[in-house]
Amino acid sequence: NAGVTQTPKFQVLKTGQSMTLQCAQDMNHEYMSWYRQDPGMGLRLIHYSVGAGITDQGEVPNGYNVSRSTTEDFPLRLLSAAPSQTSVYFCASRSGTSVLETQYFGPGTRLLVL
Amino acid sequence: KQEVTQIPAALSVPEGENLVLNCSFTDSAIYNLQWFRQDPGKGLTSLLLIQSSQREQTSGRLNASLDKSSGRSTLYIAASQPGDSATYLCAVYRGGDKLIFGSGTRLLVRP
Repeated sequence: NAGVTQTPKFQVLKTGQSMTLQCAQDMNHEYMSWYRQDPGMGLRLIHYSVGAGITDQGEVPNGYNVSRSTTEDFPLRLLSAAPSQTSVYFCASRSGTSVLETQYFGPGTRLLVL
Repeated sequence: KQEVTQIPAALSVPEGENLVLNCSFTDSAIYNLQWFRQDPGKGLTSLLLIQSSQREQTSGRLNASLDKSSGRSTLYIAASQPGDSATYLCAVYRGGDKLIFGSGTRLLVRP
């Protein structure tokens, strides 16, 4: 089991460029989500998915798109990068809605937008 | 709106000390509360999960308590070791897939 994997580990973009952050999990988890972590602000939810074909917005969705065509993959797209999107991005997955479930986090993608 | 606060933001202790990390939340309507550990440049690892009906959970040298009525949780680390140095985050779960995180406590255990 690789768990939750994210690529790339680090990326530098220029303002206005687009890119996709990849996330995959091999645990057959239904729930997947994207968070961003900024200094002094903890993690904030961007988008989440409760299963293939279903996505919803989190706390800070503006500037990001997601899709969930398979159970395993949950890519995050930045359509036109802005310096305010400089952050560390974490993907997480969870098997279901039980209150006993914990989330498994990927190692993160560090993004710098110039 | 649910807010989660962690105090202190940073803590430095000598090896062997027992220590307490604090987490407070504004809305007691939670399903569970979790404590995570984050090492520099790494993802988060779940340490303990306390259901809303529970008062505490223990794992090895770690003990987490939950008092919903006062909106507080504590993480107790016994006999701290340099390997415990990391950032500790608490998060409350209110359904859907929404974990609401505190900003973390950065712990340094000095040899």
